[in-house]
Amino acid sequence: EVQLVESGGGLVQPGGSLRLSCAASGFTVSSNYMSWVRQAPGKGLEWVSVIYSGGSTYYADSVKGRFTISRDNSKNTLYLQMNSLRAEDTAVYYCARATDSLWPYFDYWGQGTLVTVSS
Amino acid sequence: SYVLTQPPSVSVAPGKTARITCGGNNIGSKSVHWYQQKPGQAPVLVIYYDSDRPSGIPERFSGSNSGNTATLTISRVEAGDEADYYCQVWDEHVVFGGGTKLTVL
Repeated sequence: EVQLVESGGGLVQPGGSLRLSCAASGFTVSSNYMSWVRQAPGKGLEWVSVIYSGGSTYYADSVKGRFTISRDNSKNTLYLQMNSLRAEDTAVYYCARATDSLWPYFDYWGQGTLVTVSS
Repeated sequence: SYVLTQPPSVSVAPGKTARITCGGNNIGSKSVHWYQQKPGQAPVLVIYYDSDRPSGIPERFSGSNSGNTATLTISRVEAGDEADYYCQVWDEHVVFGGGTKLTVL
């Protein structure tokens, strides 16, 4: 059974850092496209970052230069290192698996972890 | 960057048909995917590749895509269908529509 379990969220001050983890089971993270998607309170879904099976990484303009996506193949875990956090980064962060296809879609999602940026 | 436009809200009576649109420039040339999200829950895939249904999704859910508009159609709407619905495409990277809140009257 495929499962994604996020952790690492919490309250952080503006300018601070946080690292989110997404532990996967039932499949191999390194063989799939993996993404982080966030949702600010009362708002819609916003794509944050993706790491392709080949290792290439891409980011939304809103987080470029501040966030870093990575994976640990030995732990089958996806990460999101978030630096220089701002109030507008406050959101529930979901990790999601995307199909490795011409038009990828997200077939599995984690339950989400809440990040609150506030003084 | 590519933009997907959804109506903020759609209302429908139980047993009727709901249609949620997703507009984008020549969206018919892309594959569109749809997600359902209920309050406090993660999104769930309901339609992929314009009109395919994952296992476990009722046949009442269908999709189409042509020209500048993709449409999610929910037939014989039930109270349990009340949720937010998001369309998604892959254009360079991931693009989501703004979401549509479906209210069952």
